[in-house]
Amino acid sequence: KAGVTQTPRYLIKTRGQQVTLSCSPISGHRSVSWYQQTPGQGLQFLFEYFSETQRNKGNFPGRFSGRQFSNSRSEMNVSTLELGDSALYLCASSSTSGTARIYGYTFGSGTRLTVV
Amino acid sequence: DQQVKQNSPSLSVQEGRISILNCDYTNSMFDYFLWYKKYPAEGPTFLISISSIKDKNEDGRFTVFLNKSAKHLSLHIVPSQPGDSAVYFCAASRTNSGGSNYKLTFGKGTLLTVNP
Repeated sequence: KAGVTQTPRYLIKTRGQQVTLSCSPISGHRSVSWYQQTPGQGLQFLFEYFSETQRNKGNFPGRFSGRQFSNSRSEMNVSTLELGDSALYLCASSSTSGTARIYGYTFGSGTRLTVV
Repeated sequence: DQQVKQNSPSLSVQEGRISILNCDYTNSMFDYFLWYKKYPAEGPTFLISISSIKDKNEDGRFTVFLNKSAKHLSLHIVPSQPGDSAVYFCAASRTNSGGSNYKLTFGKGTLLTVNP
């Protein structure tokens, strides 16, 4: 069974640009969550999608957005990039979020975004 | 407001000994707790979880203890092995009013080093 696939693995962008990150969950998983990991803040929740609907959203500015497609693949977009957006962005999937609380989400390897 | 705290940024133990990783939380609404392990350049990997109705859960070398009155949980690894060297994240979740799962709230992680 293929794991959670995130593309690209590494990305360098200039301040002010926008970026789109992609996540393909494990086949059959309908819940996809996004997290930002930085050295100072640890892992912070961005948003969760289930069956193309955003169910939960973290405390991030509106520059951060996402969507989920009918095949459960998800994308997140960051517009008007700032230096502080440099981080590892992790995608996690589960069959349902109820399952995830017991058996954990399955994380991808992440996309390392560097804003210069 | 950091609801899940891992106050030790790092821990070093000798191979074969016990590793004890600690985590404190402030939100009494959390009802599920999870531990993840993370190697560099990889996504977090689920280790073990515990429901708030239990005080202990074991899985092989890993045991998680929950003290609800103290809002404290710990992960014990016995015996510790060099391959256990990684960053360990504590996470908590709560059921929202709709009865579905909520986001995971992570601590900032503890770097465990197991010396041969």
